[in-house]
Amino acid sequence: QVQLQESGPGLVKPSQTLSLICAVSGGSINSADYYWSWIRQPPGKGLEWIGYIYYSGLTYYNPSLESRITITIDTSKNQFSLKLSSVTAADTAVYYCARVGRGTGVAAGKRGVFDYWGRGTVVTVSS
Amino acid sequence: DIQMTQFPSSLSASVGDKVTITCRASHTISSHLSWYQQIPRKAPKLLIYGSSSLQTGVPSRFSGSGSGTDFTLTISSLQPEDFATYYCLQSYSTPRTFGQGTKVEIK
Repeated sequence: QVQLQESGPGLVKPSQTLSLICAVSGGSINSADYYWSWIRQPPGKGLEWIGYIYYSGLTYYNPSLESRITITIDTSKNQFSLKLSSVTAADTAVYYCARVGRGTGVAAGKRGVFDYWGRGTVVTVSS
Repeated sequence: DIQMTQFPSSLSASVGDKVTITCRASHTISSHLSWYQQIPRKAPKLLIYGSSSLQTGVPSRFSGSGSGTDFTLTISSLQPEDFATYYCLQSYSTPRTFGQGTKVEIK
């Protein structure tokens, strides 16, 4: 059973950089059949896709956040990370990480499907 | 970007009712649509992918249909554990976009 666990500071000051890690267990992040993604949910609102990364380091970012986002992957530690710079109160949200099928191999038929999610971590931007 | 519009935004129903939620895409997305259930303070859970394929372990009372721009999620007989918010997601193109959610409440 694949499990994902987000970690990082729960409070970030405005204009600083938010940094989160997603640790993956029960499966290898070094897989050709999956992307690894970040999603967020502001309080009382819906879900927003932030971006994802492939084991090779190839990334896809939401254009609305692209200028402030960096997603990296560490296959030796089986984890990936998110950095969001110049944060404001609008970045306050629950941040989730998730596994996303590529529609290939063992994920055939599941292109772009978010099949495993972490529990989420609350990040508040406040001084 | 492809906009995903869900309706209704909320509904009230009783245990045993049949519930239908609709998701409409601003451009054709073939069958690249999945549905997620979110119980308050929990992570979303995958229910349906490829518009109509049931994720392993999900009860058969959940079903999905549609292609192109119009999709539906149906719960054939609502159970107490189904009261939640449901989201659709298109995976036809990036950026991936979710519907705004449909909250299913107890009548």
